[in-house]
Amino acid sequence: GAVVSQHPSWVICKSGTSVKIECRSLDFQATTMFWYRQFPKQSLMLMATSNEGSKATYEQGVEKDKFLINHASLTLSTLTVTSAHPEDSSFYICSAPHSGGSGELFFGEGSRLTVL
Amino acid sequence: AQSVSQHNHHVILSEAASLELGCNYSYGGTVNLFWYVQYPGQHLQLLLKYFSGDPLVKGIKGFEAEFIKSKFSFNLRKPSVQWSDTAEYFCAVIAGGATNKLIFGTGTLLAVQP
Repeated sequence: GAVVSQHPSWVICKSGTSVKIECRSLDFQATTMFWYRQFPKQSLMLMATSNEGSKATYEQGVEKDKFLINHASLTLSTLTVTSAHPEDSSFYICSAPHSGGSGELFFGEGSRLTVL
Repeated sequence: AQSVSQHNHHVILSEAASLELGCNYSYGGTVNLFWYVQYPGQHLQLLLKYFSGDPLVKGIKGFEAEFIKSKFSFNLRKPSVQWSDTAEYFCAVIAGGATNKLIFGTGTLLAVQP
């Protein structure tokens, strides 16, 4: 099946620094990718839709200047958490839709961000 | 706003017991419904989905789910669970034809005791 890969899987950073998380579709092209955030014992919350070649679409309540998304190619989307603070600590997951339009999403393994 | 609720946050069963996980959504129009599973240390993966047609859908590993439109429900079932079914299960909905914009429930952690 299709594979979506994230890197890094775990990152620890100091408060005030920026962290970049990469999401790659390894064996298919994705014009759209989705970024989710998961708090402990809570659901996955859609943060934004990443669109190749254009601006990302952010969900209500998500700060676009805080969570910068770039979809530079058909296989790569990046999420940069700028000036990270401890409350940004979370599990971030990206996904890409099946190219056949089935509605199925393929998920990355997730990236755990810990801000000290 | 659309929402998905899963009533059971944590379920513990013995092997061979039957399983039913509840899922309800709030949206009055057309919906596409999914169950995803995340085994320990692995990615989320699709278990089954419903778009249209027979409201009883069968997925991988013996799972099935029934779409009951009048109850806004899409409960997941398996007649006899195995230890390897230990995982977290997420119900998800795409509402109103929104392209791939999945709304997830809070998840149910299933632990099957051997």
